[in-house]
Amino acid sequence: SAVISQKPSRDICQRGTSLTIQCQVDSQVTMMFWYRQQPGQSLTLIATANQGSEATYESGFVIDKFPISRPNLTFSTLTVSNMSPEDSSIYLCSVALQGSSYEQYFGPGTRLTVT
Amino acid sequence: AQTVTQSQPEMSVQEAETVTLSCTYDTSESDYYLFWYKQPPSRQMILVIRQEAYKQQNATENRFSVNFQKAAKSFSLKISDSQLGDAAMYFCAYRGRNSGYALNFGKGTSLLVTP
Repeated sequence: SAVISQKPSRDICQRGTSLTIQCQVDSQVTMMFWYRQQPGQSLTLIATANQGSEATYESGFVIDKFPISRPNLTFSTLTVSNMSPEDSSIYLCSVALQGSSYEQYFGPGTRLTVT
Repeated sequence: AQTVTQSQPEMSVQEAETVTLSCTYDTSESDYYLFWYKQPPSRQMILVIRQEAYKQQNATENRFSVNFQKAAKSFSLKISDSQLGDAAMYFCAYRGRNSGYALNFGKGTSLLVTP
């Protein structure tokens, strides 16, 4: 397994501002992912962030709104830009470990509230 | 696109009893992986159990086991000897072998465990 930490664990932000969420892993991993979990909902993939390449965004998510950095094999950031109340969600990073099933392990999440 | 359906928004079980959570999925792939994740109120996503589609034998992890019916595209989770700590949201997830490494989640089932 992997130990994943996220910062901040929660934040309350004003409309129109931006927040950068950090994700740190205790081992080197190739594949990292960012998910969004809106209140009472399931997880939706925002983007895949592999080191050495541009992040790949899912339909409905764009780089201008959710820029991602992946400077090395243990760290990634997700920025939520120009926030609106609709961005209030839990944001989770995860990593896929090499193996037969590439099972994913998740960070504790960042609870974002936009007022 | 693959879809994952969890038809039970909420389930309840008494302590020490057994409960089964349902999950069905739709895919045209022949090789894939299925997972059950648990999300307690702490919001940490915890991998409970995984199943490789090419394996006929149902996966088991201590009190957790699955009933994998590939032809029916069904993947249910059985929790035996339920404990208060099992109370959580349970998410079924799919990953296609040839469709990337991100997970496709169902909407979740909220499990309540009563003393």
